[in-house]
Amino acid sequence: ELKVEQNPLFLSMQEGKNYTIYCNYSTTSDRLYWYRQDPGKSLESLFVLLSNGAVKQEGRLMASLDTKARLSTLHITAAVHDLSATYFCAVGRKTSYDKVIFGPGTSLSVIP
Amino acid sequence: DAGVTQSPTHLIKTRGQQVTLRCSPKSGHDTVSWYQQALGQGPQFIFQYYEEEERQRGNFPDRFSGHQFPNYSSELNVNALLLGDSALYLCASSFGTVDEKLFFGSGTQLSVL
Repeated sequence: ELKVEQNPLFLSMQEGKNYTIYCNYSTTSDRLYWYRQDPGKSLESLFVLLSNGAVKQEGRLMASLDTKARLSTLHITAAVHDLSATYFCAVGRKTSYDKVIFGPGTSLSVIP
Repeated sequence: DAGVTQSPTHLIKTRGQQVTLRCSPKSGHDTVSWYQQALGQGPQFIFQYYEEEERQRGNFPDRFSGHQFPNYSSELNVNALLLGDSALYLCASSFGTVDEKLFFGSGTQLSVL
């Protein structure tokens, strides 16, 4: 059974600092997703990583994928308060009729 | 272009009742997945519909059932509601193997009293 773990589950960091969120998954997968969720809101897609060594960056966020280690990272550079949210990684396969499984989420608070 | 739309946005029911939630996928999408998100947790996969058939199912009891219509819209039905069914129910749509990501609706917040 596919399982997805995230570390840490809770993260409080100061503005301007850097940090990394880790996502481990248990079986082979074709796609690794990162989503953001603000309180009371739905999920916003951040990144989709499709191959080993894939790296994508958007603003202060950068995601990478190591399929051999079954590990993805979400790196936050020079955090700002607007990045406060819950971040989920999720794992799926290229065929859309396979389920996408989510991790437990990392609740990020950026403190001024 | 309308994204994924869900209705209603909020719903209050009592234990033992039945509920129906609705989802219209993003234009051009043919696959709908339903997720349950309890407070403070990640979304849990309920099931997925494609070509009006349930293709995949998560670890949810038979009280949870669904349907997909010819226009690709979908319904999630939950019978004999329990307090533990209180959650945000999210619908996500995608298209075959072309789309790289799931597009989520705003969800239906279900409260069971």
